Amino acid sequence: QVQLVQSGAEVKKPGASVKVSCKASGYTFTSYGISWVRQAPGQGLEWMGWISAYNGNTNYAQKLQGRVTMTTDTSTSTAYMELRSLRSDDTAVYYCAREGGIAAAGDYWGQGTLVTVSS
Amino acid sequence: EIVLTQSPATLSLSPGERATLSCRASQSVSSYLAWYQQKPGQAPRLLIYDASNRATGIPARFSGSGSGTDFTLTISSLEPEDFAVYYCQQRSNWPPAYTFGQGTKLEIK
Repeated sequence: QVQLVQSGAEVKKPGASVKVSCKASGYTFTSYGISWVRQAPGQGLEWMGWISAYNGNTNYAQKLQGRVTMTTDTSTSTAYMELRSLRSDDTAVYYCAREGGIAAAGDYWGQGTLVTVSS
Repeated sequence: EIVLTQSPATLSLSPGERATLSCRASQSVSSYLAWYQQKPGQAPRLLIYDASNRATGIPARFSGSGSGTDFTLTISSLEPEDFAVYYCQQRSNWPPAYTFGQGTKLEIK
């Protein structure tokens, strides 16, 4: 069965960076993309960007351009999302999701990773 | 950027009733629209993709309709487990980029 397993919760200081991993299993990793979506406490869903696991092409949300980098390691079927220059309003649960073939950001989702930015 | 507006913000209904949730796009998204359900502490769950197709394992009481700018998610007869927050989401053509609506909270009356 398709599974996406994310890394554990993180606590970071303002200005630091965080890198969240998302290990995929149960499907051919390079046949799909990965979306990253975040959700601030009590708020809605915010799409952060997309990466093709086939060729590494990316597309980032405009508001995060310059601060976010998404990568994949096809040898381990793992996707990564790095966010730099963290601010307090980056505190959120970060989700990865399998994307592709249908017009949906994700048909299977990771369990989420809480990133807390606090001094 | 395409903006999705969901209505109502909150919908109060009883089990067994019919729920109708709306999503309006600021410009045409063709049929590139999906619906998700999210319960507290859980990841979103894909319900409907391409406006009207049920995702794997989704019960038949969930249906989606619409195209262009106006879309509807209908739950024909509410079960207790259906009370949650529902989001619509649209996709741009290429490269993939997505926008979510602000959500509709479906609560027990």
